[in-house]
Amino acid sequence: SQQGEEDPQALSIQEGENATMNCSYKTSINNLQWYRQNSGRGLVHLILIRSNEREKHSGRLRVTLDTSKKSSSLLITASRAADTASYFCAMYDRGSTLGRLYFGRGTQLTVWP
Amino acid sequence: EPEVTQTPSHQVTQMGQEVILRCVPISNHLYFYWYRQILGQKVEFLVSFYNNEISEKSEIFDDQFSVERPDGSNFTLKIRSTKLEDSAMYFCASIGTATFYATNEKLFFGSGTQLSVL
Repeated sequence: SQQGEEDPQALSIQEGENATMNCSYKTSINNLQWYRQNSGRGLVHLILIRSNEREKHSGRLRVTLDTSKKSSSLLITASRAADTASYFCAMYDRGSTLGRLYFGRGTQLTVWP
Repeated sequence: EPEVTQTPSHQVTQMGQEVILRCVPISNHLYFYWYRQILGQKVEFLVSFYNNEISEKSEIFDDQFSVERPDGSNFTLKIRSTKLEDSAMYFCASIGTATFYATNEKLFFGSGTQLSVL
């Protein structure tokens, strides 16, 4: 079945630096999504990249997808203390029904002021 | 932006007790979900619900679990006899109108209910 794995598990940077998180998955996908979770809060959808896309931007976020390597990366540029959160990649398995996403364990990002 | 709301935010219960976790999905959404996250582990799918019935459930969602949409707004998860290993953060989520097998949709999550079974 599908699995997502983020790397690194934890990342600690200074404000203004860029943060890069990686995600690998096992089986072919239609799209890959990234979510953020602030401490004690729910998951918030950040961005979705389709399998026929290689790169997508949204504000300070840049997502890449390499389907040949079954991997994706999330880049946050010019990070801020408010970006401190856990970041998860999520995807569907082949044959998954709507809303049944497979999440990784997440990358805990800490941005120091 | 519309929100999925969950109550309570924290629930402490004794092993063997029944708990009901409550959710109010976004009003015009049609597909509803429960996920859970055990501390330090992955967010896991439990169940999906559409048109007043379960669409899909995972192997975690055994006979101790049930879901219900008792009225036009609430969506509940009941755990009949809680076990220590049910301790987790439980998330409700919903999706707006879409073709059921179209997967280019994002989920809207609530803030979760932290369930602690003692």
